[in-house]
Amino acid sequence: GAVVSQHPSWVICKSGTSVKIECRSLDFQATTMFWYRQFPKQSLMLMATSNEGSKATYEQGVEKDKFLINHASLTLSTLTVTSAHPEDSSFYICSAEGRDGQETQYFGPGTRLLVL
Amino acid sequence: GENVEQHPSTLSVQEGDSAVIKCTYSDSASNYFPWYKQELGKRPQLIIDIRSNVGEKKDQRIAVTLNKTAKHFSLHITETQPEDSAVYFCAATSGGSYIPTFGRGTSLIVHP
Repeated sequence: GAVVSQHPSWVICKSGTSVKIECRSLDFQATTMFWYRQFPKQSLMLMATSNEGSKATYEQGVEKDKFLINHASLTLSTLTVTSAHPEDSSFYICSAEGRDGQETQYFGPGTRLLVL
Repeated sequence: GENVEQHPSTLSVQEGDSAVIKCTYSDSASNYFPWYKQELGKRPQLIIDIRSNVGEKKDQRIAVTLNKTAKHFSLHITETQPEDSAVYFCAATSGGSYIPTFGRGTSLIVHP
């Protein structure tokens, strides 16, 4: 199968701190990973596209200096929320696209972030 | 860019009834249309997908239809069961971009 993991599954932090979320493809290599945030009862909002070995592409309105993305290998992408504030509290989900040339997205289990 | 509209936002049915969720898209270059099911607090799971060279695809109780001319596609669930209750998202992906655009989701509630 195509399994994507995320760590941590949930995190509570104080305002002003930074939080790193990891997204791993466990049994396949992912050239492209996507980061989404999802507010309660809302759709998936694409934040950025992470490409292995190159800079991430951010969606309009997403601050690249606040949401740092690193895709250092074919199995790992990280999202760092810098200087987190309560309004950053959300459900962050990554997805990975396999190397099979198909567009199927395999989602991670998500990370619930609560900033106090 | 692509714009995907999804209706209805909520759908309540009785167990055993059919459920239909409809999506429209704007980019005629889109050629891949997946449907995801997301249970509360969990990850979206792919349940069925269709490509632009096919008009209909079926997998047991789930079917998807695609009308390229009208630029709309639909999810059909027959003989609904309480465990079908979840939020369903449609998406459209343009050829070459591999970046999906999601609909706003439909909350399906199946009453026993």
